[in-house]
Amino acid sequence: EVQLLESGGGLVQPGGSLRLSCAASGFTFTFYAMSWVRQAPGKGLEWVSSISVSGGNTDYADSVKGRFTISRDNSKNTLYLQMNTLRAEDTAVYYCAKDYTVTTTAIVMDFESWGQGALVTVSS
Amino acid sequence: QPVLTQSPSASASLGGSVKVTCTLSSGHSSYAIAWHQQQPEKGPRFLMKVNSDGSHIKGDGIPDRFSGSSYGAERYLIISSLQSEDEADYYCQTWGTGIHAVFGGGTQLTVL
Repeated sequence: EVQLLESGGGLVQPGGSLRLSCAASGFTFTFYAMSWVRQAPGKGLEWVSSISVSGGNTDYADSVKGRFTISRDNSKNTLYLQMNTLRAEDTAVYYCAKDYTVTTTAIVMDFESWGQGALVTVSS
Repeated sequence: QPVLTQSPSASASLGGSVKVTCTLSSGHSSYAIAWHQQQPEKGPRFLMKVNSDGSHIKGDGIPDRFSGSSYGAERYLIISSLQSEDEADYYCQTWGTGIHAVFGGGTQLTVL
């Protein structure tokens, strides 16, 4: 059974930093691109960032480009999101998501499995 | 970049059926989409992929009550024999070469 378990959320002041982790199990982590998707309170889903299997290809939403960094450690089956210079509008539940399609270098973003989410609150 | 349009809300009776619609923007009618269910206070759950020809591939453990179809630029999620636990938000999502993941605004389903 695929399991994605996010951690690292919390309350942070504007301008601060936070690192989210997503521990993956139940599938071969090195076969799939991975992504982060967020949901602001009472709002819909918004794609944030994606990374290929090797980590050589990454992509970011314009709203986080230059502030967030996605990475992965395939030896630990773990996905990360380093969030710097946080703003109030970054307040959201952050979900990690696994692609449906097996790939080597590409990022497809056809999400098939989701974690339970980590709440990030940016407030003074 | 395609845009996905969903009605904000839908309702149907317990034991009945409902069709939730996702409309792809002009020029993107060939795109496949995925349907995701989000029950209150939970993370999303993948239901199925729906292709432009109406074929669909469901996720593991998704009941037969859930099915998908297509017509032109519209993609449908059909839920039959509605149960109380089907009350949730339903999001369509698409992807493609050179585009990012795109989500519809979501449809909140109420089971009466």
